[in-house]
Amino acid sequence: EVQLVESGGGLVQPGRSLKLSCVASGFTFSNYGMNWIRQAPGKGLEWVAYISSGSSYIYYAETVKGRFTISRDNAKNTLYLQMTSLRSEDTALYYCARHGEGPDYWGQGVMVTVSS
Amino acid sequence: DIVLTQAPLSVSVTPGESASISCRSSKSLLSSKGITSLYWYLQRPGKSPQLLIYQMSNLASGVPDRFSSSGSETDFTLKISKVETEDVGVYYCGHRLEYPLTFGSGTKLEIK
Repeated sequence: EVQLVESGGGLVQPGRSLKLSCVASGFTFSNYGMNWIRQAPGKGLEWVAYISSGSSYIYYAETVKGRFTISRDNAKNTLYLQMTSLRSEDTALYYCARHGEGPDYWGQGVMVTVSS
Repeated sequence: DIVLTQAPLSVSVTPGESASISCRSSKSLLSSKGITSLYWYLQRPGKSPQLLIYQMSNLASGVPDRFSSSGSETDFTLKISKVETEDVGVYYCGHRLEYPLTFGSGTKLEIK
């Protein structure tokens, strides 16, 4: 069974940093690209970043480019999102999602709240 | 960026009846490999999105065949036959043709 478990969220002040993790199991992690997708409270889905299976290809949404960094450790079956210079508009539930047939499997999400 | 426009914003359905949701793309979603890169998701209340349909018309694993999807290169329809109470939630269309990936704004399905 495919499982994706995010962690690392919480309350953070504007301008500060936070690092999210997503541990994968139930599939060969190193064979799949991965995404971070977020959902602000009561809003729709916003794609944030993508990383290919071997980390050769990385893409970001314009709203986070230069502030967020996606990475992965295939030996640890773990995906990361380093977030810096956080803003109130980054407040959202952050999902990691496997890039299979579309983003196909999604984690349960981790909440990030940016507020003073 | 590709804009996906969903309609209606919400739909109320009697159990056992059918429901249709539309998704229109600002750009053809037909890839150079001949694949139509349109996906449908259901987000049940308080849950993560679940993939229903991939490549416009293929049912994802474990999804009941009451769900179906069709369309052209830019206009797509998700149909839910014989709606059940477990179908309640927000339906999103999305694409993976290019980056950035984008999603429609969602259609909320309620039960009458």
